[in-house]
Amino acid sequence: GQQVMQIPQYQHVQEGEDFTTYCNSSTTLSNIQWYKQRPGGHPVFLIQLVKSGEVKKQKRLTFQFGEAKKNSSLHITATQTTDVGTYFCAEENMDSNYQLIWGAGTKLIIKP
Amino acid sequence: EAQVTQNPRYLITVTGKKLTVTCSQNMNHEYMSWYRQDPGLGLRQIYYSMNVEVTDKGDVPEGYKVSRKEKRNFPLILESPSPNQTSLYFCASSWDFGTDTQYFGPGTRLTVL
Repeated sequence: GQQVMQIPQYQHVQEGEDFTTYCNSSTTLSNIQWYKQRPGGHPVFLIQLVKSGEVKKQKRLTFQFGEAKKNSSLHITATQTTDVGTYFCAEENMDSNYQLIWGAGTKLIIKP
Repeated sequence: EAQVTQNPRYLITVTGKKLTVTCSQNMNHEYMSWYRQDPGLGLRQIYYSMNVEVTDKGDVPEGYKVSRKEKRNFPLILESPSPNQTSLYFCASSWDFGTDTQYFGPGTRLTVL
């Protein structure tokens, strides 16, 4: 069945270093969504990518959708303590428009 | 304020004691769903509802029930909780489809002893 692999599971960085998380799908997607979950919080929608090769920026966050629409990445430049949390990608279940398929998430940890 | 609310936020119970977690949204969303979140497993969908009186199983429905008698409410029922249902539960809603932007409730942390 359709699967989404998100890597890495954890990433430890020093404050000011960059962070990247990747999502790879087993199928060609129509779109992909990204969410952020702060520690102790709930997932919050960040962005949706729709077009092949699309790149969107939100301040220090850069989101990319692959040319083949089978992978996506989220890159954070110069991480800050406010970036701490878990980042999830979510893709449409191609067999049902009533379900999203979620990546396992990447936890961003800033080293003290 | 547009929001999804869940109650209780924390619950400790014992095996076999029926419980209900309530979920309510004030955005007039058609679609609502329940997820459980466990370390390393991400978000797994339990049940979803496309509209009033229409519900369907997600990926991990065993041991759970839901109902959608009103558009705004979507309670999650555990008839006979077991320790493997200890988890963090989220209710979510979206406008029309499950593939629209999801709005999540604050979560309910359930411990079953």
